[in-house]
Amino acid sequence: DTGVSQDPRHKITKRGQNVTFRCDPISEHNRLYWYRQTLGQGPEFLTYFQNEAQLEKSRLLSDRFSAERPKGSFSTLEIQRTEQGDSAMYLCASSDTLAGVGNEQFFGPGTRLTVL
Amino acid sequence: AQSVAQPEDQVNVAEGNPLTVKCTYSVSGNPYLFWYVQYPNRGLQFLLKYITGDNLVKGSYGFEAEFNKSQTSFHLKKPSALVSDSALYFCAVRGDSYGNKLVFGAGTILRVKS
Repeated sequence: DTGVSQDPRHKITKRGQNVTFRCDPISEHNRLYWYRQTLGQGPEFLTYFQNEAQLEKSRLLSDRFSAERPKGSFSTLEIQRTEQGDSAMYLCASSDTLAGVGNEQFFGPGTRLTVL
Repeated sequence: AQSVAQPEDQVNVAEGNPLTVKCTYSVSGNPYLFWYVQYPNRGLQFLLKYITGDNLVKGSYGFEAEFNKSQTSFHLKKPSALVSDSALYFCAVRGDSYGNKLVFGAGTILRVKS
């Protein structure tokens, strides 16, 4: 399968713990995105990378959240000192730049985070 | 700011009948519009997009959507619904002055009954 993969698929943690999620994009895609989806809502943009550069961050991304894409391939999203409000599905997507702004984003299966 | 509205939380249709899932948008500049489908416990799957050109775009699984600039709408349609089309559908927009992020609607549950 050459689609976007995410690990883990599920994570249960206690409030105050740190968690890290990984995303592996489609190999030839140079753009990578993180979104958060809560129950009954559409995905909300968190941040995006072009190659290794983080080019845009949402105001939703508090200082407890950090994302990296060190070599322009996989990406990690870390949440420090988790809160119950962080419980959500975290989605990763990737796209290429061949068609400019018209490129669709391809999504991974998501990581479901539950903070107890 | 850009936004998307999906006015119906749920659409019910009988198998074999045509279906429409509504979407309206608000964006400055040219809109780039997308439809995605989400099945339980799975990520979003791309269905179709409007970038420019013909207002009627065709996508995967027999779906199509019509871009209407004057009504700022991008409704998803299918001539004959299948039970397997039952899923959660999201409309999304990206404005050409808003970088690369997609803004999604809240989603519409489509239920197709046999």
